[in-house]
Amino acid sequence: SQTIHQWPATLVQPVGSPLSLECTVEGTSNPNLYWYRQAAGRGLQLLFYSVGIGQISSEVPQNLSASRPQDRQFILSSKKLLLSDSGFYLCAWTGGTKNIQYFGAGTRLSVL
Amino acid sequence: LAKTTQPISMDSYEGQEVNITCSHNNIATNDYITWYQQFPSQGPRFIIQGYKTKVTNEVASLFIPADRKSSTLSLPRVSLSDTAVYYCLSGTYKYIFGTGTRLKVLA
Repeated sequence: SQTIHQWPATLVQPVGSPLSLECTVEGTSNPNLYWYRQAAGRGLQLLFYSVGIGQISSEVPQNLSASRPQDRQFILSSKKLLLSDSGFYLCAWTGGTKNIQYFGAGTRLSVL
Repeated sequence: LAKTTQPISMDSYEGQEVNITCSHNNIATNDYITWYQQFPSQGPRFIIQGYKTKVTNEVASLFIPADRKSSTLSLPRVSLSDTAVYYCLSGTYKYIFGTGTRLKVLA
């Protein structure tokens, strides 16, 4: 069966520090991969999605970037975090014809 | 770009049936309609998906009219544990979550 791993679960970082969040999927090949951010009490904001290795579509211009170095690995990065980058970050994947999204457990990022 | 509209919040009592309706602007011919449930500090979880007419599984039913411009999620006999945010989605690669419907089930 397919599983999605996302880590770390929580992260506290100072303003201006770099960020790297990793997400991996097991049990499937060539998934579509997604990064979302959710502010407290708000809906999910799509940040990036990828339909293949090296293919990244950015939805929100900001100081975040994403990379897909391997088929089932999706990385969210920042060179310098801002206070406004705080939030709940979720990775998701879809596969098959019906494109049901399956989410990771999320990373709670606090930028102080 | 598929965009959805749904009520921001709803209250219900235990044991009642809850219906949440979603409007699907610009839904494409090939798009499925999918509903998710989210608890605090967790990722959304798939509930049900359909293309047209009615779909039922062990937790919910989904009604989609012929024009597919809307959908209704039906939760039979809700319990306190159904208190969550519910999202409706349609799309192909790019999925835009709306604000969702915050359902509160009261004892």
